[in-house]
Amino acid sequence: DAKTTQPTSMDCAEGRAANLPCNHSTISGNEYVYWYRQIHSQGPQYIIHGLKNNETNEMASLIITEDRKSSTLILPHATLRDTAVYYCIVRPATNFGNEKLTFGTGTRLTIIP
Amino acid sequence: DVKVTQSSRYLVKRTGEKVFLECVQDMDHENMFWYRQDPGLGLRLIYFSYDVKMKEKGDIPEGYSVSREKKERFSLILESASTNQTSMYLCASTYSGTGELFFGEGSRLTVL
Repeated sequence: DAKTTQPTSMDCAEGRAANLPCNHSTISGNEYVYWYRQIHSQGPQYIIHGLKNNETNEMASLIITEDRKSSTLILPHATLRDTAVYYCIVRPATNFGNEKLTFGTGTRLTIIP
Repeated sequence: DVKVTQSSRYLVKRTGEKVFLECVQDMDHENMFWYRQDPGLGLRLIYFSYDVKMKEKGDIPEGYSVSREKKERFSLILESASTNQTSMYLCASTYSGTGELFFGEGSRLTVL
């Protein structure tokens, strides 16, 4: 499995954009990038995923570099409720019985009032 | 909304006891997972199942077994609990063909 590297922790001021980087330099052509977050005392929550194009949904934007070796999750207007651990995960393309995701230790994002 | 329900939020057991952790999902998902989460180690996959009565070992299956007799229910079994199995246990489910996992709230197990 391709591995990901994320900073251990980051701070961001409330109301500013939070940019969370992820390095996945060994990613293969058919592997997706997924992002999850885990708020304290809760299970992880899916945020967004992408293959090679940039993606946006109501929660965040995902920017994937052209060579696909890194990506950035953007929370456009961070609030205190965005304080969480954010996980960047690389997942192989769909194969029956191969749906498992490997989580690392993620980035602890703290939103500062 | 998808709901993944874990039977107990907090359990305290003694060394050597048999422990059952139950997980039920209500969205007819084919795939179900058990992870454990420990400080500094992130989430680690114990077992997963992609169909009824099917199971696959994850990264740390030693000391655990699982059961999936019905599609909606996935049980994690500790045959003889040990103190190093004190942890947060998280269940998740998803449809085949998607990496969007839905997690339960977790079960915090303490083995004394």
